[in-house]
Amino acid sequence: RKEVEQDPGPFNVPEGATVAFNCTYSNSASQSFFWYRQDCRKEPKLLMSVYSSGNEDGRFTAQLNRASQYISLLIRDSKLSDSATYLCVVNRYYKLSFGAGTTVTVRA
Amino acid sequence: SAVISQKPSRDICQRGTSLTIQCQVDSQVTMMFWYRQQPGQSLTLIATANQGSEATYESGFVIDKFPISRPNLTFSTLTVSNMSPEDSSIYLCSVGDREEQYFGPGTRLTVT
Repeated sequence: RKEVEQDPGPFNVPEGATVAFNCTYSNSASQSFFWYRQDCRKEPKLLMSVYSSGNEDGRFTAQLNRASQYISLLIRDSKLSDSATYLCVVNRYYKLSFGAGTTVTVRA
Repeated sequence: SAVISQKPSRDICQRGTSLTIQCQVDSQVTMMFWYRQQPGQSLTLIATANQGSEATYESGFVIDKFPISRPNLTFSTLTVSNMSPEDSSIYLCSVGDREEQYFGPGTRLTVT
């Protein structure tokens, strides 16, 4: 079983729409959780950390459920610039485990 | 945040040869990491490189195939040895801690 399993998508949504997707992780000892964004042919960049209390960063909302070992990301009011692959990432002892990525395409 | 550069940015190599990838950081860091991203896949950690000690390799990766050097706190190299077409990937270095990691731009390797 993969350490991080992610909803693969692709999600093709119109501008202004809300899109949400999830991932699950297998190791209950995982210590911290993130969403990274990777644009085509670019390196991953941190989008946001994910906390059990839930956290927002502008149009982005992330949620962690430790009991279910489940992480979610919601994007409101999608912009064309949100088109990217979103990577669910789990950190255990400074080692990152990456999900396979969810591809989101926002169309005009 | 850290600024990371990698050399070369891309290369095309013949099977059986070796390529050394350099990673330079603009500040001193304790931990550096090397990842591989195969075509259409996500990132996989190859090894953790700490200055002054041997690199720690993940399952499926060995020192003979991917020797790593870490001569100081701002620099590391990864060598891909005796390359085969299956080694065609993007290789990325990163630095960071438990809260955030920063990635270099990657080295796109094609083995023919």
